[in-house]
Amino acid sequence: NAGVTQTPKFQVLKTGQSMTLQCAQDMNHNSMYWYRQDPGMGLRLIYYSASEGTTDKGEVPNGYNVSRLNKREFSLRLESAAPSQTSVYFCAGGTRGRKTMNTEAFFGQGTRLTVV
Amino acid sequence: AQTVTQSQPEMSVQEAETVTLSCTYDTSENNYYLFWYKQPPSRQMILVIRQEAYKQQNATENRFSVNFQKAAKSFSLKISDSQLGDTAMYFCAFMKQGGSEKLVFGKGTKLTVNP
Repeated sequence: NAGVTQTPKFQVLKTGQSMTLQCAQDMNHNSMYWYRQDPGMGLRLIYYSASEGTTDKGEVPNGYNVSRLNKREFSLRLESAAPSQTSVYFCAGGTRGRKTMNTEAFFGQGTRLTVV
Repeated sequence: AQTVTQSQPEMSVQEAETVTLSCTYDTSENNYYLFWYKQPPSRQMILVIRQEAYKQQNATENRFSVNFQKAAKSFSLKISDSQLGDTAMYFCAFMKQGGSEKLVFGKGTKLTVNP
């Protein structure tokens, strides 16, 4: 049981390059999220998915696309990377349980992305 | 849209003492969850404590407790008997109950526990 797994952990891109950050969960979460974390800005929501096949924009969606093809996987794509997208990216899976004790979000280890 | 505000960018406390981190939020919803997450230097996000809005009783988890004031939309975290391992970023978060389950975070408070 790996929980939420993100790949890669580190990545350096050149401006204009594209890449996909992968996220997979084995905890049967309905909801999945992508955040970016920048100093002094906390975690800002990029996109989220309440269920398989659905996605919604968060606070900072520009420059990103996502795909939730199945319940396990939620990928984040940068089509043309820009230096402003240098950040730490977190994927999370969330469950709203019948009981409060089961309601929380579990996070991956993060991806440190640098765009030069 | 829901917003979460943490007004203390940084705080420090002496080991064994008590510290309170502040969080306020803005929402028109009546049913929701509130969370405090801890992020140590390892970067891992760890759930510290959660509170369901309809419950009047404040949540507690060992040395961690909250002061939930629904009318004031306030959700502070109290850490008792602070330990060096409590040094971390702390994030307050909000999730609406029902619907899209969008999870929104504050900007965080950097807590340093001094020996």
